[in-house]
Amino acid sequence: KAGVTQTPRYLIKTRGQQVTLSCSPISGHRSVSWYQQTPGQGLQFLFEYFSETQRNKGNFPGRFSGRQFSNSRSEMNVSTLELGDSALYLCASSRRGDREQFFGPGTRLTVL
Amino acid sequence: AQKVTQAQTEISVVEKEDVTLDCVYETRDTTYYLFWYKQPPSGELVFLIRRNSFDEQNEISGRYSWNFQKSTSSFNFTITASQVVDSAVYFCALSEGGQGAQKLVFGQGTRLTINP
Repeated sequence: KAGVTQTPRYLIKTRGQQVTLSCSPISGHRSVSWYQQTPGQGLQFLFEYFSETQRNKGNFPGRFSGRQFSNSRSEMNVSTLELGDSALYLCASSRRGDREQFFGPGTRLTVL
Repeated sequence: AQKVTQAQTEISVVEKEDVTLDCVYETRDTTYYLFWYKQPPSGELVFLIRRNSFDEQNEISGRYSWNFQKSTSSFNFTITASQVVDSAVYFCALSEGGQGAQKLVFGQGTRLTINP
């Protein structure tokens, strides 16, 4: 069974640009969550999607948004990038009702 | 508010030593879940274990064991006879029951280095 996949793995952008990251969950998993990992703030929850609906949201500005498609694949978008958005963005999937989340390899975003 | 504290930022031991990683949590929920994840240099978080708040049984899996004590709000992780491959950053995490179940609150992580 394939694990969670994330594309792209690495990304370099400049301030003010926007970026879209993609996540494909494990087959059969319908819940997708996103996390941001930085050296200063550690791992922080961004949002969770289930059945194409955002179910939970972390404490991030509105520049961070996401969506989920009918096949459970998810994308997150960051608009008007800031230097502080440089981070490893991790996606996790789970079966709704299961507590375990399985993580992908992450997308490392660098904002110059 | 939920909070997870891993007071040990870095631990370095020699191979074959036993090592314990500490985790202390705070939550007002009566139903909650605790996790340990391993993050090797590749960056992917690897799930190790989940415990429910209503199950205080300790667990052993090979060289790994976990000690869950609600009285002290702790969920410690012990590696017995450590190996170089155990070198990684380890995260303790907490999630509440109900609607917030998929939101994990992580500790700051403990970087474990096993020296040959």
